[in-house]
Amino acid sequence: QSALTQPASVSASPGQSITISCTGTSSDVGSYNLVSWYQQHPGKAPKLIIYEVNKRPSGVSNRFSGSKSGNTASLTISGLQAEDEAVYYCHSYADSIDIVVFGGGTRLTVL
Amino acid sequence: QITLKESGPTLVKPTQTLTLTCSFSEFALSTSGVAVGWIRQPPGKALEWLARVYWNDGKTYSPSLESRLTITKDTSKNQVVLTMTNMDPVDTATYYCAHMIWSGYYVDSWGQGTLVTVSS
Repeated sequence: QSALTQPASVSASPGQSITISCTGTSSDVGSYNLVSWYQQHPGKAPKLIIYEVNKRPSGVSNRFSGSKSGNTASLTISGLQAEDEAVYYCHSYADSIDIVVFGGGTRLTVL
Repeated sequence: QITLKESGPTLVKPTQTLTLTCSFSEFALSTSGVAVGWIRQPPGKALEWLARVYWNDGKTYSPSLESRLTITKDTSKNQVVLTMTNMDPVDTATYYCAHMIWSGYYVDSWGQGTLVTVSS
């Protein structure tokens, strides 16, 4: 069982916006601005798209944005495109002995 | 541009020890704030951290797998080696090598991954 909880799947049509939630606890997401998000296409390695809650690496589209409220972090993708169809994972530092944890992943389907 | 590449066996038998090597370039593991780690992903399942080694030779292991894991670095060869003992079919997964920024605890570069199958 993953330490961070994500919805199993979300879907939307091209051009729409979606938000994927990532729920943790006061020991991880709630206490540290060390949440990152990864996009994984089938058969490929994950790719960093958001780090430190809301920062975008160079080259990542500004259609991707991150936020956090309490124990829940969120990834928003605006202006959905077919290429956004992938699995998205959240990731956070957690208290105690240098632990980092992933969420269970959310499959995004662009209808 | 940072690159990482995993190498090792694609098939191991139950109870055997798995040894994976991560060879990397365009960064030094002696640089402050850098870590290299291993993350695995069983087919169709989520990502799971296994172990990390830091620039200062600090090491962190997954609590649930710690007794089976050893991670070491060879700074002169730009390599990180992971060993996992007593392999079981449930350990079948793609194993990724990853470059992590310690200050932000995020992985900014990934290897392509290597699929390891555990079967007799």
